[in-house]
Amino acid sequence: QLQLQESGPGLVKPSETLSLTCTVSGGSIRSSSNYWGWIRQAPGKGLEWIGSIYYSGSTYYNLSLKSRVTMSVDTSKNQFSLKLSSMTAADTAVYYCARQFIVGQTGRWFDPWGQGTLVTVSS
Amino acid sequence: SYDLTQPPSVSVSPGQTASITCSGENLESKWATWYQQKPGQSPVLVIYKDRERPSGIPERFSGSNSGNTATLTISGTQAMDEADYYCQAWDSSTVVFGGGTRVTVL
Repeated sequence: QLQLQESGPGLVKPSETLSLTCTVSGGSIRSSSNYWGWIRQAPGKGLEWIGSIYYSGSTYYNLSLKSRVTMSVDTSKNQFSLKLSSMTAADTAVYYCARQFIVGQTGRWFDPWGQGTLVTVSS
Repeated sequence: SYDLTQPPSVSVSPGQTASITCSGENLESKWATWYQQKPGQSPVLVIYKDRERPSGIPERFSGSNSGNTATLTISGTQAMDEADYYCQAWDSSTVVFGGGTRVTVL
């Protein structure tokens, strides 16, 4: 059974860059039918997609965050990563990683999700 | 940008049917997805490709998508179904989530 686990700092200072890693177990990140995504959820708020990456390194990002987001993949470690620069209090959220299915022109869904990691932006 | 609109809350009595709507322009032309999120937990996929249920999801969860509205229906709602539900679609290379609906089982 595929599992994902986020790791990274729980506290980031304003203006710094957040770095998170998602480790995939129970399956290969080199799946031709999957992308791998990051989604966040601010306290008491809804879900916000950050971006997704293919094992080849191909990416697509939320346009509202694109200027600050970099995603990468390490197939040798079965991991993918997120960097979000210029962090502010508005970026305080639980950050989830998830496997994304790609089917046809519009079939995109996430399953399963990692347990999430709370990132707080504060000095 | 593409928007998905959900009602903030839905209340339902145990054993009754709960219907959660998700509205977006020409939504029927896109596959709709639904997630369930209980407090303090990660979202769980309950419906994909408008009406498909992943293994392990009870049959009381069903989905439909027509016109501008996708609907998640919970038949015979149980107390354990109390949660937040999010719809999601794909448009112009962007993943879009609805704002979420809190389902309360009274």
